[in-house]
Amino acid sequence: GAVVSQHPSRVICKSGTSVKIECRSLDFQATTMFWYRQFPKQSLMLMATSNEGSKATYEQGVEKDKFLINHASLTLSTLTVTSAHPEDSSFYICSARDHGRYAFFGQGTRLTVV
Amino acid sequence: EDQVTQSPEALRLQEGESSSLNCSYTVSGLRGLFWYRQDPGKGPEFLFTLYSAGEEKEKERLKATLTKKESFLHITAPKPEDSATYLCAVQADDKIIFGKGTRLHILP
Repeated sequence: GAVVSQHPSRVICKSGTSVKIECRSLDFQATTMFWYRQFPKQSLMLMATSNEGSKATYEQGVEKDKFLINHASLTLSTLTVTSAHPEDSSFYICSARDHGRYAFFGQGTRLTVV
Repeated sequence: EDQVTQSPEALRLQEGESSSLNCSYTVSGLRGLFWYRQDPGKGPEFLFTLYSAGEEKEKERLKATLTKKESFLHITAPKPEDSATYLCAVQADDKIIFGKGTRLHILP
């Protein structure tokens, strides 16, 4: 299947700093990318949907000024957690979909804010 | 409201004991139903996509089926390496909505 690469896999940052997570589709053009977060033993919660070249659509309750999403090209989307706090510690996963119907996932990023 | 419900939340089986996981959904404009496997600390791994009622797909010990209201993931003669969380997701318009998953534990 198609490959989606997410980087970094783990990051620890100090409270108040910003962290950027990259999501790349390696062998296909991703017209749509999704960002999820997952708390321990819970399901994936959709944070936002982004289409290349346009602004991301955020789910209700997700602060767009805190979670900045940029989908600048058909192979790259970034999620920046600004002014991170301990409650932002979570597992963040991106997903990319091409013109077809399948969605492929990155490996996930474990963010720990101390 | 679009909703995906998986049951049971957790399931413990003996090696070789077959069973089924359920995913019921309420969405408008279903465009596809996905099954994923997720191991701890890792991203979901794609298993199957089903598009229409009556469709079935198989892969090794797993078989997924779809009706107009639910999907089943049948696991036949499971092995300990099948232990994982199995996630169901539906694509409605441009969103993909996940269920909470079923944690499957296969005892040797």
